[in-house]
Amino acid sequence: DAGITQSPRYKITETGRQVTLMCHQTWSHSYMFWYRQDLGHGLRLIYYSAAADITDKGEVPDGYVVSRSKTENFPLTLESATRSQTSVYFCATQRHVQETQYFGPGTRLLVL
Amino acid sequence: ILNVEQSPQSLHVQEGDSTNFTCSFPSSNFYALHWYRWETAKSPEALFVMTLNGDEKKKGRISATLNTKEGYSYLYIKGSQPEDSATYLCAFKGLRNQGGKLIFGQGTELSVKP
Repeated sequence: DAGITQSPRYKITETGRQVTLMCHQTWSHSYMFWYRQDLGHGLRLIYYSAAADITDKGEVPDGYVVSRSKTENFPLTLESATRSQTSVYFCATQRHVQETQYFGPGTRLLVL
Repeated sequence: ILNVEQSPQSLHVQEGDSTNFTCSFPSSNFYALHWYRWETAKSPEALFVMTLNGDEKKKGRISATLNTKEGYSYLYIKGSQPEDSATYLCAFKGLRNQGGKLIFGQGTELSVKP
């Protein structure tokens, strides 16, 4: 049971390039989330999704795009990467609103 | 803007010490309070989800209490061990938060020395 996986685990890219981070879950959880980890800010929500084809902005959505055509996948795209988007990105899932969130292993992104 | 505050920011204790830290959150429109344990270079792991005022949860040497009327939760670690070293995050979910959206505190970084 893979649970929640993220790919790639590490990525180096250049300013201006488009980058897509993948998140895949095998649990069929309704909710999925993208967070970024930044020093001094902890975990900040980028986007979330309550179900397939339903997405909404979080705290820091600018520069990011998401889609959720299937329940199990929630890709995050940086349309034109900037140095300020260098971070560790965590995907999380949640079965019901009352329950805990489960985090993926994270993707470490470096934008040069 | 909803604010979730954790204190202290960091804590250094000796093995065997018991410790506790605080999470403060808005007392109105409370729905749930989550606690997570986050080791360096790993991903956050769930400890507790607390929903009722006066709730107390326990997992081994770690326990948590909840006061929704005054807007705080305490996390206690009894007899700290080096493997307890991690950042402990709390996260608030209010009634008005859409979906499962959580507001995270910045965490308390615990270091336990042998």
